[in-house]
Amino acid sequence: DAKTTQPTSMDCAEGRAANLPCNHSTISGNEYVYWYRQIHSQGPQYIIHGLKNNETNEMASLIITEDRKSSTLILPHATLRDTAVYYCIVRVAYGYALNFGKGTSLLVTP
Amino acid sequence: GAVVSQHPSRVICKSGTSVKIECRSLDFQATTMFWYRQFPKQSLMLMATSNEGSKATYEQGVEKDKFLINHASLTLSTLTVTSAHPEDSSFYICSARGGTSGLSNTGELFFGEGSRLTVL
Repeated sequence: DAKTTQPTSMDCAEGRAANLPCNHSTISGNEYVYWYRQIHSQGPQYIIHGLKNNETNEMASLIITEDRKSSTLILPHATLRDTAVYYCIVRVAYGYALNFGKGTSLLVTP
Repeated sequence: GAVVSQHPSRVICKSGTSVKIECRSLDFQATTMFWYRQFPKQSLMLMATSNEGSKATYEQGVEKDKFLINHASLTLSTLTVTSAHPEDSSFYICSARGGTSGLSNTGELFFGEGSRLTVL
């Protein structure tokens, strides 16, 4: 699986959009970009994934650059409950386990 | 999304005893389940992969005789920590993936709530 690079931590004011970047410059053509988050002392929660096109669901939007070497997860209106560690993971669909890096610790402040 | 449930959520045991953690997929058949371990302020580390009806595959450095995994059905996998010691205290998390025709049509995994083990 391709390696990803994320900032260690980020802050965001409640109600504002949180934009979490991820670099995956060695991504190959059949690898997807997955985003998960882990709220303290809970199991990871699936957020969104994409291959080439931008994706949106009820939780977030995923913007993937045209060259697919980086992506951004957007939480449009961050709430205090969005405070968590966010993991960007690249792998083929039906690949084996997800390999978690250190992720980005997002702190949403009042 | 699909639901994966773990039990117990918290367990405290004495050193030398064995502890079993269950992982169930509640609304789909999980052909593959993964077990992770997470120490404080660290990321999740994959311990082993189990496929229903076959032996688990362990990651390098994980003792298969200490961490017994059984995946006897398509909805249940168990992790037994044998002869637990204080250094085994950790947060254990399972995840599950359905088959190609199941809920997980592009390979996303669903995770349990985690089980916190404390060995005294």
